[in-house]
Amino acid sequence: DAKTTQPPSMDCAEGRAANLPCNHSTISGNEYVYWYRQIHSQGPQYIIHGLKNNETNEMASLIITEDRKSSTLILPHATLRDTAVYYCIVRPPGDSWGKLQFGAGTQVVVTP
Amino acid sequence: GAVVSQHPSRVICKSGTSVKIECRSLDFQATTMFWYRQFPKKSLMLMATSNEGSKATYEQGVEKDKFLINHASLTLSTLTVTSAHPEDSSFYICSASAPGGLKLFFGSGTQLSVL
Repeated sequence: DAKTTQPPSMDCAEGRAANLPCNHSTISGNEYVYWYRQIHSQGPQYIIHGLKNNETNEMASLIITEDRKSSTLILPHATLRDTAVYYCIVRPPGDSWGKLQFGAGTQVVVTP
Repeated sequence: GAVVSQHPSRVICKSGTSVKIECRSLDFQATTMFWYRQFPKKSLMLMATSNEGSKATYEQGVEKDKFLINHASLTLSTLTVTSAHPEDSSFYICSASAPGGLKLFFGSGTQLSVL
């Protein structure tokens, strides 16, 4: 499975956009990019996923480069409640959740 | 969205006792659920895959006799930590794949403290 590389930490000012990068240079053509976040002492929360096209939902936007070797998660207006560890994960299609590998993620701290 | 409920959220037990953790898919059926453990400031590590109606599949290094998994119905999987010891203290999390398989939803986790 492709692995991902994320910066270990990032600070963001409340109300500003937070751009979280992720490198997945060995991603295969049929592998999805998923983002989850984990607030302290809680289970991970699904944010968004994509294959090739950029995606947007009520939580965030996902920008995937044309060569698919990297992506950026955008939190448009960060709030204090967005402070969490953000995980970028690559997953093959089909019944492959059991092969999911969580890396260290990016610790995002949103400050007032 | 799909909801996975995990109970209890926190449990403190004495060394040598057994603890059962429940994981329920509230609004969908899950033939497969997953169990993870997480140590402080570390990432999630998959322990086992729980299969409805059959034996669980354990990851390498996870003792199946210590971590008993029962997936008796399409909405419930349980993890029992048998003869718990202080080194079993950890954050345990379950997850289930929503219908269609495109999203994985997690429970809120169980903090186990063994005294």
